Amino acid sequence: AQSVTQLGSHVSVSEGALVLLRCNYSSSVPPYLFWYVQYPNQGLQLLLKYTTGATLVKGINGFEAEFKKSETSFHLTKPSAHMSDAAEYFCAVSNSNSGYALNFGKGTSLLVTP
Amino acid sequence: DVKVTQSSRYLVKRTGEKVFLECVQDMDHENMFWYRQDPGLGLRLIYFSYDVKMKEKGDIPEGYSVSREKKERFSLILESASTNQTSMYLCASMKGGSNQPQHFGDGTRLSIL
Repeated sequence: AQSVTQLGSHVSVSEGALVLLRCNYSSSVPPYLFWYVQYPNQGLQLLLKYTTGATLVKGINGFEAEFKKSETSFHLTKPSAHMSDAAEYFCAVSNSNSGYALNFGKGTSLLVTP
Repeated sequence: DVKVTQSSRYLVKRTGEKVFLECVQDMDHENMFWYRQDPGLGLRLIYFSYDVKMKEKGDIPEGYSVSREKKERFSLILESASTNQTSMYLCASMKGGSNQPQHFGDGTRLSIL
């Protein structure tokens, strides 16, 4: 079985500051990792994914994440926050044994202040 | 781009009613999913389908059923709606295996009175 823990249900940053959203996973086999963003009253939109290969993954809207096997982490970062980044962010994990199941973390709400 | 369309954005129903939530995808994806989303609980899988007429229970199937008669359409059915089924419902579709991303609709916010 696989699971995801997102540290911090709410994160607040100033506009222009670094965004760091934490995600730790557990998986008995190599994981596939995803970050999604949800804007108010909308569905989830894929930000980026890691399956194999390069461990630093770049996504949309200037976000990136680094897969660190030794730390079982897949933290999401953005160098400079913008007001439009305010949203809910979800980390998710699957693997080759999980069938079609995608296990989501409970989400982190990002607030960006002027 | 993949388009996943949920038939209603907002829905209000009464306790005991039979409720149908519809989802259609336009990318010929084999796999489709229904989740419910509640504050502090994240997304929880209700049912998924990996082919026409095939379905598998997710983590919280009680009180729900599903129907997939055509590849592009996946319906969630609340047999007898109860107030604890008030929630946001999200449909998703996915092509291929577990290394592929899921694509989501905009959700249906369902209130059971």
